[in-house]
Amino acid sequence: DTGVSQDPRHKITKRGQNVTFRCDPISEHNRLYWYRQTLGQGPEFLTYFQNEAQLEKSRLLSDRFSAERPKGSFSTLEIQRTEQGDSAMYLCASSFVASDEQFFGPGTRLTVL
Amino acid sequence: AQSVTQLGSHVSVSEGALVLLRCNYSSSVPPYLFWYVQYPNQGLQLLLKYTSAATLVKGINDFEAEFKKSETSFHLTKPSAHMSDAAEYFCAVRPFYQKVTFGTGTKLQVIP
Repeated sequence: DTGVSQDPRHKITKRGQNVTFRCDPISEHNRLYWYRQTLGQGPEFLTYFQNEAQLEKSRLLSDRFSAERPKGSFSTLEIQRTEQGDSAMYLCASSFVASDEQFFGPGTRLTVL
Repeated sequence: AQSVTQLGSHVSVSEGALVLLRCNYSSSVPPYLFWYVQYPNQGLQLLLKYTSAATLVKGINDFEAEFKKSETSFHLTKPSAHMSDAAEYFCAVRPFYQKVTFGTGTKLQVIP
């Protein structure tokens, strides 16, 4: 399968715990994006990478959130000291640098109890 | 700043009827426009995109959309709804060299 994959698909955690999500983009894609989607809303941009460089972060990305793409391939999104408001679907997407089309993964659904 | 407004969070159509999902955008610069579809518990799939070429854009599964600059609209249509079209549809705008902004989505119900 050559699509975008995300792991895990579902995560249930208790408030205050740390969680980490992984995204594997389409292998030839230089850009990797993270979005958050809450119920009844469209995806909201969080951050994006071009190769290993993190080029933009949204104000939605508080200090408790950190993302990495260490070798320009897979990426991780970590949330520290989770809060109930962090409950959402976290989507990853990838694209070529010059392309407008982003390919989305299936998402990781986070539930914070 | 750019924004997207999708009129109607829920739309119901009968199987075989016309599908019309509305999208209006605001952008300070000429935008690229997209329609995505999302099935339950899945990621988003691109249906079609407008990138300043032809104003009538054809996408997958017989969907099409027309860019109307004077109305700042990019409505999505399909001549005949199929049961498998039931999903949530998102309109998105990306002004040149800026990030993508998504609308709040429209859930399409197809009634047999």
